[in-house]
Amino acid sequence: AQSVTQLGSHVSVSEGALVLLRCNYSSSVPPYLFWYVQYPNQGLQLLLKYTSAATLVKGINGFEAEFKKSETSFHLTKPSAHMSDAAEYFCAVMNRDDKIIFGKGTRLHILP
Amino acid sequence: DTGVSQDPRHKITKRGQNVTFRCDPISEHNRLYWYRQTLGQGPEFLTYFQNEAQLEKSRLLSDRFSAERPKGSFSTLEIQRTEQGDSAMYLCASSPGGVRTKNIQYFGAGTRLSVL
Repeated sequence: AQSVTQLGSHVSVSEGALVLLRCNYSSSVPPYLFWYVQYPNQGLQLLLKYTSAATLVKGINGFEAEFKKSETSFHLTKPSAHMSDAAEYFCAVMNRDDKIIFGKGTRLHILP
Repeated sequence: DTGVSQDPRHKITKRGQNVTFRCDPISEHNRLYWYRQTLGQGPEFLTYFQNEAQLEKSRLLSDRFSAERPKGSFSTLEIQRTEQGDSAMYLCASSPGGVRTKNIQYFGAGTRLSVL
């Protein structure tokens, strides 16, 4: 069965510092992986997706993620954090029935 | 393209009452999904439709829950005899269906249910 594990329910970084949110997946089929962002009291917005093309995926708002099959990882990064990046981030995998399985989320805090 | 729309955004109800939520998907999206998100958790799949056909229901969806998509466009999710444990954010998503690489789900803003 497909699943994702997000390491760290809360991550704090200083404004301007590197953002790194970790995600490991398990999948019995070639995985399709996603990162979604959720701002308070809002739905989920797609940040980026990996669908077996390039292993380095660029998304919106300066975020990118790298698919590493050997490590079964799909970590999300951004070179320089901005205050507006404070939100909850969800890593997700699409299973063979096209249903999305979400991780528990990582809340990103940006310190001034 | 106005995105996925959900109504209401917030619902407060007393235990034992029935509630109904509505979701309008992105135009021409064949698939529509319902998820539930409780505090501190990621969304969990409840059910989904391909056009008007309900293809799968999670075991999270008890008999008190029912979902419909009568004309293959908007969908409703009804909870009967609400319980405090039903308090959650209910999210709707839609996707075009078809080729897997293009079958990306787009989410609405959700309906937050509080059962008192």
